[in-house]
Amino acid sequence: EVVLTQSPGTLSLSPGERATLSCRASQSVGGFLAWYQQKPGQAPRLLIYDASNRATGIPARFSGSGSGTDFTLTISSLEPEDFAVYYCQQRSDWPLTFGGGTKVETK
Amino acid sequence: ELQLVESGGGLVKPGGSLRLSCAASGFTFSSYNINWVRQAPGIGLEWVAAISSSSIYIYYRDSVKGRFIISRDNAKNSVYLQMDSLRVEDTAVYYCARTHLGASNQYGSGSYDHWGQGTLVTVSS
Repeated sequence: EVVLTQSPGTLSLSPGERATLSCRASQSVGGFLAWYQQKPGQAPRLLIYDASNRATGIPARFSGSGSGTDFTLTISSLEPEDFAVYYCQQRSDWPLTFGGGTKVETK
Repeated sequence: ELQLVESGGGLVKPGGSLRLSCAASGFTFSSYNINWVRQAPGIGLEWVAAISSSSIYIYYRDSVKGRFIISRDNAKNSVYLQMDSLRVEDTAVYYCARTHLGASNQYGSGSYDHWGQGTLVTVSS
């Protein structure tokens, strides 16, 4: 099973600051990694698929990079609505797996 | 409007059964893989099962193999999850999710561009 380790567990930042979230895979997943945002009481929302492709309707301040085992989600300038939990997910191998999440909270 | 609507959750005793349904609308259902993903209270996301667009390929996580069955009826635009021999550790919100056409394969795998609102399954005596 591919284990995805996200860091940090919590990121305390202010609106307007840059957020950098990491996802490390226990083995190569190629470019088959996605990022999701989840707010309390809501289903996750797809932000980035296949490492660097923004999903429909996702603002340009969200960007993804990486390949193999190391991936990064960057939010260039945090908006108030960006404070949430972020998950990575790999689709390279069964079972599909998610990271444990990074919570981006207001400093 | 594109929608995925789950139903069938509830409270069940350990060893009991539930059948979840996911009704889809607003897109060509038969062209998409559908997966079930669950989330235990306060915990992260966990993939449960996948079914390819034509039902040829089906996959389960190990902990539900032999207990859960995923199926779909493309004529009814619906996916189902039959859950038997339920355990306390199956307690979670269950989401059905559609895989993104640009990030999926013929085997049912993918990343998820649309999710339902979720249905809560509670297994407790």
